[in-house]
Amino acid sequence: EDQVTQSPEALRLQEGESSSLNCSYTVSGLRGLFWYRQDPGKGPEFLFTLYSAGEEKEKERLKATLTKKESFLHITAPKPEDSATYLCAVKLRGSNYKLTFGKGTLLTVNP
Amino acid sequence: SQTIHQWPATLVQPVGSPLSLECTVEGTSNPNLYWYRQAAGRGLQLLFYSVGIGQISSEVPQNLSASRPQDRQFILSSKKLLLSDSGFYLCAWNSGTSEQFFGPGTRLTVL
Repeated sequence: EDQVTQSPEALRLQEGESSSLNCSYTVSGLRGLFWYRQDPGKGPEFLFTLYSAGEEKEKERLKATLTKKESFLHITAPKPEDSATYLCAVKLRGSNYKLTFGKGTLLTVNP
Repeated sequence: SQTIHQWPATLVQPVGSPLSLECTVEGTSNPNLYWYRQAAGRGLQLLFYSVGIGQISSEVPQNLSASRPQDRQFILSSKKLLLSDSGFYLCAWNSGTSEQFFGPGTRLTVL
């Protein structure tokens, strides 16, 4: 069965301590991988779309990368306002509409 | 720019009561519309999607139904709520097969 797994489930960093979140997927064909940020009690906020292995996208302190089996969300010198749950989702070949989501990584950045 | 609205923001309902959640999108025409449910400790689960007025696809058989009476309006309903219907309900939209954009969500508690 196709699956999206995010690790770690929770990550606690000190301000300025860079790290990476992982999203691994076992799918029969990938049409796109999406990263979202979700603050407590709010809807997910779109961050990045990646389509092919080797692709990279950057936004402020975040950089997303994609390989054939996983994606990384790198956070450089994080600030407390980066604290949130980060969600990964994949769109499969043959599905125009359905996104399959991972359970997310809860990131806490302490000042 | 496009905006997506959901209401109510929070709802507490007794078991067996009906449900109606509404989602509207502004600033775009003929969007694809989606209903997701997010339960504690689980990923977002796609419930329904719609590619046009009156066109509804169901992903998960359940106690809920969806309708799209107008181009930019999507409604989630139930005739009789169950305890297991509690959760955070999210509406999303996109154009074509691009990334999806989420609304602020409705927190439903069934007692």
